Amino acid sequence: QVQLQQSGPGLVKPSQTLSLTCDISGDSVSSNSAAWNWIRQSPSRGLEWLGRTYYRSKWSRDYAVSVRSRITINPDTSKNQFSLQLNSVTLDDTAVYYCVSGTQMDVWGKGTTVTVSS
Amino acid sequence: QSVLTQPPSASGTPGQRVTISCSGSSSTIGRNNVDWFQQLPGTAPKLLIYYNNQRPSGVPDRFSGSKSGTSASLAISGLQSEDEADYYCAAWDDSLNAWVFGGGTKLTVL
Repeated sequence: QVQLQQSGPGLVKPSQTLSLTCDISGDSVSSNSAAWNWIRQSPSRGLEWLGRTYYRSKWSRDYAVSVRSRITINPDTSKNQFSLQLNSVTLDDTAVYYCVSGTQMDVWGKGTTVTVSS
Repeated sequence: QSVLTQPPSASGTPGQRVTISCSGSSSTIGRNNVDWFQQLPGTAPKLLIYYNNQRPSGVPDRFSGSKSGTSASLAISGLQSEDEADYYCAAWDDSLNAWVFGGGTKLTVL
């Protein structure tokens, strides 16, 4: 059974980079049938899919249009984890961030509340 | 404004049957499967229905999903107090090349 453990700071200053990591147990980040997503939730935006990475003979990434210029999702095969980097954050990036596994988003991490504030 | 449209609220009494609608477009529900998520207060969303009408292991058969054209529905029969939660639909959007969600429906059990 897949389990996800999120880590990362809960407070980020405006214009800086938000970085979160998701440790995977029960599956491999390199699995040919899995997908590894980041989703956030805020009162103003609701649930918002940010992007995903997955391996199908090679690594691929899909990103939401709203954050495409600022986001990077990377797998780390040596640590069996994947990460989120969101650059140049603003107050509007304040949200609960979830790492989520599965092509149908069937396993969710517990969520990390990230506040953007000076 | 969400790409998928859900009513903001729904309600029912214990034992009743309640349905929640989700309206999309040809690039979302019209071409792709719909998932439904349940979010209890203070917790992460949980996959309730996938591929329009499939239940993950452990989800009671009181929950069912359907899809027709560019719309989908979640039905909850034999409503229970513990069903009080927020419910979200989601689908892949071929135009945006992204997952999109509905704005959520808050279900109240009266």
